[in-house]
Amino acid sequence: RKEVEQDPGPFNVPEGATVAFNCTYSNSASQSFFWYRQDCRKEPKLLMSVYSSGNEDGRFTAQLNRASQYISLLIRDSKLSDSATYLCVVHGSYTNAGKSTFGDGTTLTVKP
Amino acid sequence: DGGITQSPKYLFRKEGQNVTLSCEQNLNHDAMYWYRQDPGQGLRLIYYSQIVNDFQKGDIAEGYSVSREKKESFPLTVTSAQKNPTAFYLCASSMEARGVYNSPLHFGNGTRLTVT
Repeated sequence: RKEVEQDPGPFNVPEGATVAFNCTYSNSASQSFFWYRQDCRKEPKLLMSVYSSGNEDGRFTAQLNRASQYISLLIRDSKLSDSATYLCVVHGSYTNAGKSTFGDGTTLTVKP
Repeated sequence: DGGITQSPKYLFRKEGQNVTLSCEQNLNHDAMYWYRQDPGQGLRLIYYSQIVNDFQKGDIAEGYSVSREKKESFPLTVTSAQKNPTAFYLCASSMEARGVYNSPLHFGNGTRLTVT
């Protein structure tokens, strides 16, 4: 079993749609969680951190459920420019400090 | 502007040759990382370093070597022992300190290595 698993995708949605991505992680001692966005043939860029209380940044909402070891990303009112691969990242633990583990990513295509 | 610089952007080598990828950061970050990404795949950790003169193997360290002689620099050598070296290599850094785990990674633009 992979340490971080994401929805396989791809997701193809029309503009204006709401789409949700899920991610599960196996190490219960993991300390911090992030969503990154990666455009084709580019480096990943931080989209948002994920906090236990849930957090929102404009059209994007991230949730963390430590009991279920589950992270989610919700995108509302999808734009064409949201088309990218979204990577779930789990970082660090008391026994594995400094190590970030990436999911394989979920590809989103937003169509006109 | 602060950031991470990887060079070169594209690199071509013959099989059997060692090659060194450069990674420099001026963000004053403690931790640096090397990842490999193959087409359609996620990122896999090769090596990481939390402090100068110290580094740890990641999940796929075989065939690679690193050094961390300066805080700003974390070069990666792809040796001839690496069976499938052709990939997209990404260097990252974070403001990681002992006991603090919530610093996100900042990536360089990457180096595309092709070995024929």
